[in-house]
Amino acid sequence: AQKVTQAQTEISVVEKEDVTLDCVYETRDTTYYLFWYKQPPSGELVFLIRRNSFDEQNEISGRYSWNFQKSTSSFNFTITASQVVDSAVYFCALSEASQGGSEKLVFGKGTKLTVNP
Amino acid sequence: DTAVSQTPKYLVTQMGNDKSIKCEQNLGHDTMYWYKQDSKKFLKIMFSYNNKELIINETVPNRFSPKSPDKAHLNLHINSLELGDSAVYFCASSPFGAGFQETQYFGPGTRLLVL
Repeated sequence: AQKVTQAQTEISVVEKEDVTLDCVYETRDTTYYLFWYKQPPSGELVFLIRRNSFDEQNEISGRYSWNFQKSTSSFNFTITASQVVDSAVYFCALSEASQGGSEKLVFGKGTKLTVNP
Repeated sequence: DTAVSQTPKYLVTQMGNDKSIKCEQNLGHDTMYWYKQDSKKFLKIMFSYNNKELIINETVPNRFSPKSPDKAHLNLHINSLELGDSAVYFCASSPFGAGFQETQYFGPGTRLLVL
């Protein structure tokens, strides 16, 4: 069965610090997709990134960057120069194909990030 | 012009009641989902529909019945509500994946509290 582990339950940093959120996954599929979502205190789930298993290039989007390493089954997320608005719960997820072509997301338990001023 | 919308946003009700949550998406997506987020923030899929057809039905009590009148709507009806049903229910939608595992976009969530 597919599994996503986010070992860090809570992280607290001071503004402007860099912070890395870890994500380790398990799957027997050779083709799979990984995602990160952000859930701010207001509660909605905001899509951040989707990465397929054949693309191991790191991705940078502003202060956000992602490091995908198939060899260690990890898809880590780094926020550079963190800001108070980055405070949220961050979820890593793995997409699992199912019959009929529909997919389901298997989520990690989330990492709660608090950025203090 | 909200992409995925849910109503109501909050729902407080008594045990034993029947309630419905509605979801609509205006993204033209083929697939819609229901996820449940428990008090520990754990997110788990409940159902998915592709073009009005039920595709995924996880081990959910049969008190929960999804209905998709058309591909833009997926409603969730819950009978005989129990305390353990208290959670946040998220609707999501995605283009038809056909193996490409497209991104799922989530609604704002419905916070259900059963007293």
